[in-house]
Amino acid sequence: LAKTTQPISMDSYEGQEVNITCSHNNIATNDYITWYQQFPSQGPRFIIQGYKTKVTNEVASLFIPADRKSSTLSLPRVSLSDTAVYYCLRRDTGRRALTFGSGTRLQVQP
Amino acid sequence: KAGVTQTPRYLIKTRGQQVTLSCSPISGHRSVSWYQQTPGQGLQFLFEYFSETQRNKGNFPGRFSGRQFSNSRSEMNVSTLELGDSALYLCASSLEAPAPYEQYFGPGTRLTVT
Repeated sequence: LAKTTQPISMDSYEGQEVNITCSHNNIATNDYITWYQQFPSQGPRFIIQGYKTKVTNEVASLFIPADRKSSTLSLPRVSLSDTAVYYCLRRDTGRRALTFGSGTRLQVQP
Repeated sequence: KAGVTQTPRYLIKTRGQQVTLSCSPISGHRSVSWYQQTPGQGLQFLFEYFSETQRNKGNFPGRFSGRQFSNSRSEMNVSTLELGDSALYLCASSLEAPAPYEQYFGPGTRLTVT
């Protein structure tokens, strides 16, 4: 059974880099990891997605090490508006299973 | 471009009743997925539809069902409601499925079962 775990919460300060890790077992080569951001009373919002090594877009980077037992969302310079809950989503391409992590509550302080 | 819309936004039902929730995807999107979000269980995948066909299903009892229409709009139905069905039900749309295309979520329907 796919299992995906994340830290419950993290604290940071404005301007710092934040790295949130998602641990997952038995992830196959082509299994995708997607990260979402969610604010209260809103649906999750897509941040970044990938299945190998490193992906970067205008807001974040996603790192997946060679053993594929974890993935890390990197937010380069957080601001107060990045205070939210962050979820990783694992898509098992073989079994088509979709498994969300439990979410990490990021609090950014001034 | 209009986002994903879900109706109703809030709903209160009594145990034993049934409920139908509606989702209108972003124009041009052909895939719709449904998720349940609760404080205890977090975000859980319900099902995924593409071109009126269910492509993928999560681990929920048969009381949870859905369908997709030819215009890509989707509905999900929960029969014989239980107290534990109280949750935020989220719908997401994407261009294609089952490839991991970027999903756009709606604001959700908050269902309260009393």
